[in-house]
Amino acid sequence: GNSVTQMEGPVTLSEEAFLTINCTYTATGYPSLFWYVQYPGEGLQLLLKATKADDKGSNKGFEATYRKETTSFHLEKGSVQVSDSAVYFCALSSSGSSNTGKLIFGQGTTLQVKP
Amino acid sequence: SAVISQKPSRDICQRGTSLTIQCQVDSQVTMMFWYRQQPGQSLTLIATANQGSEATYESGFVIDKFPISRPNLTFSTLTVSNMSPEDSSIYLCSVGSETQYFGPGTRLLVL
Repeated sequence: GNSVTQMEGPVTLSEEAFLTINCTYTATGYPSLFWYVQYPGEGLQLLLKATKADDKGSNKGFEATYRKETTSFHLEKGSVQVSDSAVYFCALSSSGSSNTGKLIFGQGTTLQVKP
Repeated sequence: SAVISQKPSRDICQRGTSLTIQCQVDSQVTMMFWYRQQPGQSLTLIATANQGSEATYESGFVIDKFPISRPNLTFSTLTVSNMSPEDSSIYLCSVGSETQYFGPGTRLLVL
């Protein structure tokens, strides 16, 4: 079945450091891939998405490229801020005729950015 | 994207009781889902709320424990029945097919 695996956290960085959160997936067909962010005490917000191979999603300085050959969708940011401290979830949604819109989530990675 | 609200935002309940959570969307949507997020865990899909028919439950979730209503294309309820401390979680509704957007969640603590 479909699954998503994220690097374990917590990830602790100093402000302005470079961020990478690894995400790999297993899926049949051609899934859409997403990164969601959950700030403390809040719900999930869509951060970025990519719907086909080699697509790059980007938002608020975050980027992720859909790599079909390595089944990966790693999240990167060149310079993190304290306000980026949150839990980040990688997720996939099945595509094609069997698309039900269901999301399968990775286990989440906690990012702590220190001033 | 749609604006999604949930009520209540949080609650503390006694074991053995039931709680109904409401999800309201500001526009008509076809697909609506209910997720559970246990403490420190990821999100797990409970069911797809279908308008005009019974919800479609995922493995490990049953209608008797989590009855769902979907009377129209802007509203759904999830009831957590006969609660135990293990039901303490955040419950989130989401909408959308190609891209899902989430409500703010209902934080439930069962004592």
